[in-house]
Amino acid sequence: ELKVEQNPLFLSMQEGKNYTIYCNYSTTSDRLYWYRQDPGKSLESLFVLLSNGAVKQEGRLMASLDTKARLSTLHITAAVHDLSATYFCAVFYSGTYKYIFGTGTRLKVLA
Amino acid sequence: DGGITQSPKYLFRKEGQNVTLSCEQNLNHDAMYWYRQDPGQGLRLIYYSQIVNDFQKGDIAEGYSVSREKKESFPLTVTSAQKNPTAFYLCASSIVQEDGSYEQYFGPGTRLTVT
Repeated sequence: ELKVEQNPLFLSMQEGKNYTIYCNYSTTSDRLYWYRQDPGKSLESLFVLLSNGAVKQEGRLMASLDTKARLSTLHITAAVHDLSATYFCAVFYSGTYKYIFGTGTRLKVLA
Repeated sequence: DGGITQSPKYLFRKEGQNVTLSCEQNLNHDAMYWYRQDPGQGLRLIYYSQIVNDFQKGDIAEGYSVSREKKESFPLTVTSAQKNPTAFYLCASSIVQEDGSYEQYFGPGTRLTVT
């Protein structure tokens, strides 16, 4: 069964702190995506990771992919309130053309 | 101005009525998808289509139907057989990028409330 699990599900953190969100997936894939969703809104693409060891950074967010461990991380550096949102990872399986989404991590950054 | 449009943004229906949600894209993408999102939950795949006149069931297709008569359009019908249709519905499309990324783009969503 294709499964994508994220942890933690909820994260409340102080501004200025660092934290990491984890995304584990059950079956080998070499395409991993991170999205952000604000309340009541659609999904916004953050990162596309295409190969083992890929690392991408945008502002205070950095994503990495370890295909051997079937693990991706989204690291938050010096969090600010504007990062409060729900973050999803998703894995693409080219054989089925399907994207499987993780459960999401609801992040709240406290001032 | 390229993108994916979904209409309407909010939709209210009485139980027992069928309702059709619109999804249009002008990105020339081959693949299109419908997802359902319940409050505080992730996205679940309803139906997807890789090419015109072809579509496949996702994980929760019961009570839903789709058509793909045109490349740019992928309407979703929520039938009266869907037991709990109130949810946020997201349409997406994707294309193989030069780097092979199959990046997926999302529409703004339709929030359906059935009473």
